[in-house]
Amino acid sequence: DSGVTQTPKHLITATGQRVTLRCSPRSGDLSVYWYQQSLDQGLQFLIQYYNGEERAKGNILERFSAQQFPDLHSELNLSSLELGDSALYFCASSVISGLGGTDTQYFGPGTRLTVL
Amino acid sequence: GESVGLHLPTLSVQEGDNSIINCAYSNSASDYFIWYKQESGKGPQFIIDIRSNMDKRQGQRVTVLLNKTVKHLSLQIAATQPGDSAVYFCAESGGYQKVTFGTGTKLQVIP
Repeated sequence: DSGVTQTPKHLITATGQRVTLRCSPRSGDLSVYWYQQSLDQGLQFLIQYYNGEERAKGNILERFSAQQFPDLHSELNLSSLELGDSALYFCASSVISGLGGTDTQYFGPGTRLTVL
Repeated sequence: GESVGLHLPTLSVQEGDNSIINCAYSNSASDYFIWYKQESGKGPQFIIDIRSNMDKRQGQRVTVLLNKTVKHLSLQIAATQPGDSAVYFCAESGGYQKVTFGTGTKLQVIP
């Protein structure tokens, strides 16, 4: 158990809909990262937050957005869902932002999103 | 863009033998490398890491080797056990926490 929690574990929805995925980082971790894992693309970095502020952006679509709240939990919002958005979505957390350095990311169990 | 290259092969190893999983990276500016293990239905789990100022690091039954000259990373698992069966990802970072993952290698342990 990494200490990172994600809800829900599974999510089934229809095209065009909007969903919210939730992540609670490990106690004491200030950074939260979101990743998408699909069969054909592996693990893709989406976005990082540090202490409530966006820190880095990866391959995140404009239909997707995220935020980190004062209690450090984070939500990933996916809207206008398409079939191709079906994937595993992972949240990871780490202690510091890694400015000038890097520290280990610990992953949650993921949310499996199925878009029908 | 820069990428870490793992074309998902499957490595089959007899229980008790040593396993070696390889990874090539392309970003010469990367200074931090991580190996993750992902079991079916679970999130990636940190195994071991290494910084670019080292060429070898050992953990419990695992060793990571880094060859910066040829931009190659390997993970060695000693006395492979059935519980080691999983997909293994290497990842690299050039700082600012931006981590790039390879596509993974599936390790199958034959009892």
